[in-house]
Amino acid sequence: DAGITQSPRHKVTETGTPVTLRCHQTENHRYMYWYRQDPGHGLRLIHYSYGVKDTDKGEVSDGYSVSRSKTEDFLLTLESATSSQTSVYFCAIRNRGYGEGYTFGSGTRLTVV
Amino acid sequence: KQEVTQIPAALSVPEGENLVLNCSFTDSAIYNLQWFRQDPGKGLTSLLLIQSSQREQTSGRLNASLDKSSGRSTLYIAASQPGDSATYLCAVRLSETSGSRLTFGEGTQLTVNP
Repeated sequence: DAGITQSPRHKVTETGTPVTLRCHQTENHRYMYWYRQDPGHGLRLIHYSYGVKDTDKGEVSDGYSVSRSKTEDFLLTLESATSSQTSVYFCAIRNRGYGEGYTFGSGTRLTVV
Repeated sequence: KQEVTQIPAALSVPEGENLVLNCSFTDSAIYNLQWFRQDPGKGLTSLLLIQSSQREQTSGRLNASLDKSSGRSTLYIAASQPGDSATYLCAVRLSETSGSRLTFGEGTQLTVNP
């Protein structure tokens, strides 16, 4: 277990408000990712990080920003939430060692009303 | 752009049946392929990881194969049980250094009936 914790688990917010989701890991993994999961689209990459203060965009990054000031924390911010950002958000880490598979957190269900 | 397709989208079988889930990808220059299981309202649980140099991986009743040249992977589940009911996701990692991102299929929703 990579010790990934996502918070909050559920959130309802109003259109136009900023929202920050947190991903916390305890095993000093270098690579961290934010995905969103939507019916009909599967999981899509929003942003990823390859080290402290090193981040890059994924395929659906518009309207989102990220920050990684410490190895253990990767924050996803919706600058001004819209209804199209209602989704389930997953954080993931890339494991070290042979194969380097991925481990996912339990997800945050975000509803924008 | 890598595209991953999973067929069928949904599958319903009686308990005890052996079954095969399919995953195809368009770019054969992959680094590895990972199968996940997702229960309703839950996160993703890794089942099997196959490196590009491997042909198959086994874990208990699960066997995953990889044919890179044809862009296909299969997940074989032997003697299915109701507890196997879940959505199964296939994800491909390309042979690139930038972020080593995964590209997912949309999944196969499996129901095993008692």
